[in-house]
Amino acid sequence: GAVVSQHPSRVICKSGTSVKIECRSLDFQATTMFWYRQFPKQSLMLMATSNEGSKATYEQGVEKDKFLINHASLTLSTLTVTSAHPEDSSFYICSARDGTGSPLHFGNGTRLTVT
Amino acid sequence: EDKVVQSPLSLVVHEGDTVTLNCSYEVTNFRSLLWYKQEKKAPTFLFMLTSSGIEKKSGRLSSILDKKELFSILNITATQTGDSAIYLCAVRGAGNEKLTFGTGTRLTIIP
Repeated sequence: GAVVSQHPSRVICKSGTSVKIECRSLDFQATTMFWYRQFPKQSLMLMATSNEGSKATYEQGVEKDKFLINHASLTLSTLTVTSAHPEDSSFYICSARDGTGSPLHFGNGTRLTVT
Repeated sequence: EDKVVQSPLSLVVHEGDTVTLNCSYEVTNFRSLLWYKQEKKAPTFLFMLTSSGIEKKSGRLSSILDKKELFSILNITATQTGDSAIYLCAVRGAGNEKLTFGTGTRLTIIP
């Protein structure tokens, strides 16, 4: 089955620094990947849609300059949280599908803690 | 705007019980409804439903969709402690790659 790998699984950083999260599709090519964010005891909220070779599409209320997305190849998308603040602490999950109409497969997520 | 409502928000039952989780939705040009199980990390895929009335089954889990009444149910029979998790329902509209998730049902199975 389709495998999505996300790295790192956990990161602790100081306020004001930037953090990069990688999302890879291991056994398929993904022209589109999705970045979700999940706060404790809440559901997954879509942040942005990452498009290979073009700009990401951000959901309303998500700052594109704060959450930089790069999708440089068919198997890799990165999310960079710039100038992180404690309120950015959350669980970030990427996902992709291996074909039209297929279900989304998720990476294992990255738990970001900003101190 | 697409909307997914799950109920109950949480459920605690004893091992061996049968549970039914509910998901109602509003979506423009419905395409599919998906169920996921989330334990400590990312969600794992359970079912994808596109047609009304056709039950999907995997072991003790089953799910069915009613496109007229705009809801789906997820049944788990003979529950085990390993079924304890958050169960997420999501919908996808036509021409839209993204999924809209409900808030989930937190299921706890007591031994």
